Amino acid sequence: GNSVTQMEGPVTLSEEAFLTINCTYTATGYPSLFWYVQYPGEGLQLLLKATKADDKGSNKGFEATYRKETTSFHLEKGSVQVSDSAVYFCALSATGGQNFVFGPGTRLSVLP
Amino acid sequence: GAGVSQSPRYKVAKRGQDVALRCDPISGHVSLFWYQQALGQGPEFLTYFQNEAQLDKSGLPSDRFFAERPEGSVSTLKIQRTQQEDSAVYLCASSGRQGVIGGYTFGSGTRLTVV
Repeated sequence: GNSVTQMEGPVTLSEEAFLTINCTYTATGYPSLFWYVQYPGEGLQLLLKATKADDKGSNKGFEATYRKETTSFHLEKGSVQVSDSAVYFCALSATGGQNFVFGPGTRLSVLP
Repeated sequence: GAGVSQSPRYKVAKRGQDVALRCDPISGHVSLFWYQQALGQGPEFLTYFQNEAQLDKSGLPSDRFFAERPEGSVSTLKIQRTQQEDSAVYLCASSGRQGVIGGYTFGSGTRLTVV
């Protein structure tokens, strides 16, 4: 079946550090890939997405590139801020599907 | 409304009690989804509605779980004879005609604790 694996957290960084959160997936066909973010006390919010191989999703300084050859969709940001502290979820939607398969989430804490 | 609204925000139930969780999606959103998020885990799909039709309920963990959306707007997730393993955050999400590619809007969830 379809699945998503993320690096285990928590990840603790200093402000302005470089961030990478690894995400790999298993799926048949050509899934769409997503990163969602959950800030404390809030609902999940779509951060970025990519719908086909080699697409790069970007938003708020975050980027992720859909790599079909390595079945990966790693999240990166060049300089994190304290306000980026949240839980980040990698997710996929199977070809023709309407629901998501989420990874377990990675908690990021950014210290001033 | 401006977002997806879920109520109650918190619910404590005694084991064996029935509970009902409500979701008010964004007005006009045809698709509505329920997810279950256990502590420290990612959300897991429960069920999906398109308007009033329940098109996929493959994620419902047992026949104690039941969802409805009778008029194609508000939805209720009902759990009968709650068990401790039902303790989780229940998330509702809705989407417009773009579907999953357009992204869902998630509510803040209902945290259910079964004691």
